[in-house]
Amino acid sequence: AQSVTQPDIHITVSEGASLELRCNYSYGATPYLFWYVQSPGQGLQLLLKYFSGDTLVQGIKGFEAEFKRSQSSFNLRKPSVHWSDAAEYFCAVGELSGNKLVFGAGTILRVKS
Amino acid sequence: SAVISQKPSRDICQRGTSLTIQCQVDSQVTMMFWYRQQPGQSLTLIATANQGSEATYESGFVIDKFPISRPNLTFSTLTVSNMSPEDSSIYLCSVGAGREAFFGQGTRLTVV
Repeated sequence: AQSVTQPDIHITVSEGASLELRCNYSYGATPYLFWYVQSPGQGLQLLLKYFSGDTLVQGIKGFEAEFKRSQSSFNLRKPSVHWSDAAEYFCAVGELSGNKLVFGAGTILRVKS
Repeated sequence: SAVISQKPSRDICQRGTSLTIQCQVDSQVTMMFWYRQQPGQSLTLIATANQGSEATYESGFVIDKFPISRPNLTFSTLTVSNMSPEDSSIYLCSVGAGREAFFGQGTRLTVV
């Protein structure tokens, strides 16, 4: 069965510092991979997605993620974090061409000034 | 893309009662999905709803507790039956369009 592991429950970074959120997946075929962000009281917003091709994908809000098949990873990065990035981030793997998702446990990002 | 409207956005319900959540999509879609997000937890798939067939439930979820209707290609309902405080969660509707999932804003349910 498909699964997603986000090993960090909470991460705190200083504003302006770089960020990397880890995600490892288990999937039998080429995965469809996603990162979503959920701000308090808000719905899910798609940050970026990977289906195939270039393993470094760019998303919204200055985020990027790199697919590494050998490590079964899809880590999310941002070079300089803004206070508004404080939120919960979910990594997900998609079945049914990416429509049906299995989510990781989420990582709560705190940004300190 | 797809725009999803969920109703109600939030509700407070008495234990033992039922609540029906509606999900309306602005385009025709084959599959609709219902997720639950318990407090402080991640999202868990409840079931997949295809038009014209019975919903497919994930392990740990049963039709008697979470009956789903899918009368057409743009609409679905999820009912949370005989509620208990443990059912307090955010319930989200999702649809697939292309190779992407789109989500409604969710229904925040509190059972007292």
